[in-house]
Amino acid sequence: GAVVSQHPSRVICKSGTSVKIECRSLDFQATTMFWYRQFPKQSLMLMATSNEGSKATYEQGVEKDKFLINHASLTLSTLTVTSAHPEDSSFYICSARDSQGANYEQYFGPGTRLTVT
Amino acid sequence: AQSVSQHNHHVILSEAASLELGCNYSYGGTVNLFWYVQYPGQHLQLLLKYFSGDPLVKGIKGFEAEFIKSKFSFNLRKPSVQWSDTAEYFCAVNDGGGYNKLIFGAGTRLAVHP
Repeated sequence: GAVVSQHPSRVICKSGTSVKIECRSLDFQATTMFWYRQFPKQSLMLMATSNEGSKATYEQGVEKDKFLINHASLTLSTLTVTSAHPEDSSFYICSARDSQGANYEQYFGPGTRLTVT
Repeated sequence: AQSVSQHNHHVILSEAASLELGCNYSYGGTVNLFWYVQYPGQHLQLLLKYFSGDPLVKGIKGFEAEFIKSKFSFNLRKPSVQWSDTAEYFCAVNDGGGYNKLIFGAGTRLAVHP
């Protein structure tokens, strides 16, 4: 089955530093990947849509200069949280859509828990 | 804008009880509907999906959902739950547009007691 990995699974960083999270599709190509944020006991909120070889599309209210997204290949998208602050602490989840798939299914990664101290 | 509402935030059942989780969406056009499950400590997995055709959709692990267009609903059901069904369940919708963005409901946390 389609597998999506995320690295790291957990990261703790100090306020003001930047953190990069990787999302990889392991056994399929994904021209489109999505980044979500999940607060405790809440739903997933779509942050941005990442397209291979082009700029990401951000949802309303998401700062594109703070959450930098790069989708340099068909199997890798990265989310960089720049100048992180404690309010950025959250669970970040990526998903990938199979480029060869005929349906609209997204495959989700296991998530990355970011704690900013 | 699309939105999804799940009526039950927290459901507690005994094993063998029947389950129905409500999901309503707001969007006037053609939609694709999904139910995802997140077991404790695991990533989201697709339970079932509806694109078109038979409004009664069968998914994995004995789950099914019925799409009722007139009610904008896509409720999830299982006739007899097991302890292993303890998880969080998310309803999601997209409009089938170019990027297939998913809009998620708030989720329902299900606890099944032996």
